[in-house]
Amino acid sequence: DAEITQSPRHKITETGRQVTLACHQTWNHNNMFWYRQDLGHGLRLIHYSYGVHDTNKGEVSDGYSVSRSNTEDLPLTLESAASSQTSVYFCASSESGQGRVGEQFFGPGTRLTVL
Amino acid sequence: DAKTTQPPSMDCAEGRAANLPCNHSTISGNEYVYWYRQIHSQGPQYIIHGLKNNETNEMASLIITEDRKSSTLILPHATLRDTAVYYCIVRVPYNQGGKLIFGQGTELSVKP
Repeated sequence: DAEITQSPRHKITETGRQVTLACHQTWNHNNMFWYRQDLGHGLRLIHYSYGVHDTNKGEVSDGYSVSRSNTEDLPLTLESAASSQTSVYFCASSESGQGRVGEQFFGPGTRLTVL
Repeated sequence: DAKTTQPPSMDCAEGRAANLPCNHSTISGNEYVYWYRQIHSQGPQYIIHGLKNNETNEMASLIITEDRKSSTLILPHATLRDTAVYYCIVRVPYNQGGKLIFGQGTELSVKP
């Protein structure tokens, strides 16, 4: 069955380190998204991509980067991890098109702790 | 982006219909209404969406008022597994990216 996976599921790192969170989907979806979720803030969009080599900033993109070299993967990189980036990170994907772009399939999440 | 207003929490008896309201008074004509839910510690799950007409699928029904300023998600026979946070979202128009902007949602507790 098609699915969307995230790895690692849990990560502890230190301030200043570079961290990369993986997201892989097997639906062949063009659209992929990264969100973070913190208590009191709900889900906030970090970066998104509408196809290979396309990336866009979301509402909380500072300190994060993404690259899209193929359809299946959208890795999220924290260039220099900060304690404020301790959060749960969700990846999602969706088909293209007016009727489908909002039907996003979410991964299980990655819990990141920055010490 | 149109914003939504939802009650922070609601209770529902198991087996009864759960009616979750959402106000979106600034919605524009080409903006869709989406509903998602998030069960504790899991990723959000798409439920249903609509533009003007009422919609129904195997999970729920979506009732949108004629002026489109509010909507109601109906779970016809709530079960304990429907306990979750429910998000009402007005999607950014497709020609502006079609993004979802999540709010705080309604925490629905289904009780035996």
